[in-house]
Amino acid sequence: GAVVSQHPSWVICKSGTSVKIECRSLDFQATTMFWYRQFPKQSLMLMATSNEGSKATYEQGVEKDKFLINHASLTLSTLTVTSAHPEDSSFYICSARPNDRGGYGYTFGSGTRLTVV
Amino acid sequence: QKEVEQDPGPLSVPEGAIVSLNCTYSNSAFQYFMWYRQYSRKGPELLMYTYSSGNKEDGRFTAQVDKSSKYISLFIRDSQPSDSATYLCAMSVTDSWGKFQFGAGTQVVVTP
Repeated sequence: GAVVSQHPSWVICKSGTSVKIECRSLDFQATTMFWYRQFPKQSLMLMATSNEGSKATYEQGVEKDKFLINHASLTLSTLTVTSAHPEDSSFYICSARPNDRGGYGYTFGSGTRLTVV
Repeated sequence: QKEVEQDPGPLSVPEGAIVSLNCTYSNSAFQYFMWYRQYSRKGPELLMYTYSSGNKEDGRFTAQVDKSSKYISLFIRDSQPSDSATYLCAMSVTDSWGKFQFGAGTQVVVTP
């Protein structure tokens, strides 16, 4: 149990376009989901906390108008990279946990590799 | 200074050897410590978690936390080629579940 699915697994887009990444909890409901970004050979950096039915909370230095997060249901959070540029190319990963589990229960999606050309 | 420091490796060991990994951190508020394994182009998967100081063993894996030194370790006994991956340490303060601070990850290569 506790499976998190991300889609797409990879995407290539042109500079200036927008890309939407989906994060779904397949067998549990998640009030909160987290979005991370990982550059090659670097650690995962928390970008934002996605809260069902309310606005996302962004970490310092993350542009909320560039990285739009929508947590419309208890099983789906989306991250939209708007007006993407080559420097946005990275590996984006989401995580979530069932509400009845502690911190050990966080499951990560398989990630989305975004390449902006 | 990064909040969590981890040697990126690569760390190459022969099959059957003990793999020793470690992280240091600066934030004394961290209470929960996790080790994740990440294969290339995949999301991290949880291997071990510990609360506060102490040791924890699970099969071939042993996690140690020394809060006084702000130092955590992961040992993998009888290493196998399938253990070849990047190992990430992660930490969080008591009330910030999900908001983990990750190390950069150590790449481990176990050679047959």
